[in-house]
Amino acid sequence: EVQLLDSGGGLVQPGGSVRLSCAASGFAFPDFAMSWVRQAPGKGLEWVSTMSAADDSTNYADSVKGRFTISRDNSLNTLFLQMNTLRAEDTAVYFCAKHPGNSPYYFDYWGQGTLVSVSS
Amino acid sequence: SFVLTQPPSVSVVPGQTATIACGGNNIGGISVHWYKQRPGQAPVLVVYDDSDRPSGIPERFSGSKSGNTATLTISRVEAGDEADFYCQVWDSIRHQGVFGGGTKLTVL
Repeated sequence: EVQLLDSGGGLVQPGGSVRLSCAASGFAFPDFAMSWVRQAPGKGLEWVSTMSAADDSTNYADSVKGRFTISRDNSLNTLFLQMNTLRAEDTAVYFCAKHPGNSPYYFDYWGQGTLVSVSS
Repeated sequence: SFVLTQPPSVSVVPGQTATIACGGNNIGGISVHWYKQRPGQAPVLVVYDDSDRPSGIPERFSGSKSGNTATLTISRVEAGDEADFYCQVWDSIRHQGVFGGGTKLTVL
């Protein structure tokens, strides 16, 4: 059974940093592209970042480019999102999501999400 | 880049059919995917590649596309279908995911 367990969220001050983790199990993690998707309170889904398994290439939404870094540790079956220079508008539930292959496409499984609140 | 437009809300009586549209520039040539999200829960994939269903998703959920409009159809709607629904495409030129704004399905 595919499982994605998101963690690392919490209350952070503006300008601060936090690192999110997504522990994966039930599938061959190194072989699949993975993404982060966020949802601000009461708002819709917003794609944040993706890391391909084909060539480890990374892509970011313009709203987070230069501030967020996606990475993965295949030995730990874990996906990370390092979030720096946080702003109030980054407040959201962050979901990790799995793609059906080694390149991004649709999201076939999702974590339960972890809430990041940016406030002083 | 792609912009996906969905109606904010759709209402339907139990047992009837709900249709949720997703319009987008030039999506006729790419695949559209659909997700269901209940309050406080993670999204769940209900249709991929315009019209395919993942295992475990009831046949009442179906997808179609005509031109630049994709449609999610839910037949014989039940109270448990009440949720937010999102369409999504992958922009392979800009290498980014794109979601529609979401549609709240209310079962009256």
